[in-house]
Amino acid sequence: GENVEQHPSTLSVQEGDSAVIKCTYSDSASNYFPWYKQELGKRPQLIIDIRSNVGEKKDQRIAVTLNKTAKHFSLHITETQPEDSAVYFCAAPPRSTLTFGKGTMLLVSP
Amino acid sequence: GAGVSQSPSNKVTEKGKDVELRCDPISGHTALYWYRQSLGQGLEFLIYFQGNSAPDKSGLPSDRFSAERTGGSVSTLTIQRTQQEDSAVYLCASSLAHGNTGELFFGEGSRLTVL
Repeated sequence: GENVEQHPSTLSVQEGDSAVIKCTYSDSASNYFPWYKQELGKRPQLIIDIRSNVGEKKDQRIAVTLNKTAKHFSLHITETQPEDSAVYFCAAPPRSTLTFGKGTMLLVSP
Repeated sequence: GAGVSQSPSNKVTEKGKDVELRCDPISGHTALYWYRQSLGQGLEFLIYFQGNSAPDKSGLPSDRFSAERTGGSVSTLTIQRTQQEDSAVYLCASSLAHGNTGELFFGEGSRLTVL
């Protein structure tokens, strides 16, 4: 089955700095890589995803990059704001469903 | 409904009792998933439904756990003879089609505490 490793487990930045979270996966057949954000006490919600036919995707302050050869993908958040503070999960699909990483707690200090 | 609905939102039970957790997915979503989230942990896959059948139940931790889905809609996760290690937030998610290449819409979760 798929194995998804996510680093770091916690990340503290100052407001305005950039944050990068990286995930590696094991199944070379995986072709879809989403990122979910979970605010404290709330449900996880999709913030961005990328498919294997592109190497990068941007949406305002967030971007995801994919390196299929190395089997890793990363979430980049620029100009961080306090409301970006949350737990971020990456995921990759094995045969029928998504395997999630263990999450990264991002803390953005004002 | 407007979103995925789960009940109860909180459940406290005694060790050894059975519990049922309910998930009402977004109307029209054929795929339904159960995940478990323990304190400080990631999202642990439990079971996946496509319609009323469960093609992947590989994540169910023991035979005390079972789930069913009826009418291609509501799903129930049942935990028999609960143990303290079952304490967690149980999250349900649904998606329009096969969820491994599309967005999962999560419910707010059912927080289970086993005393």
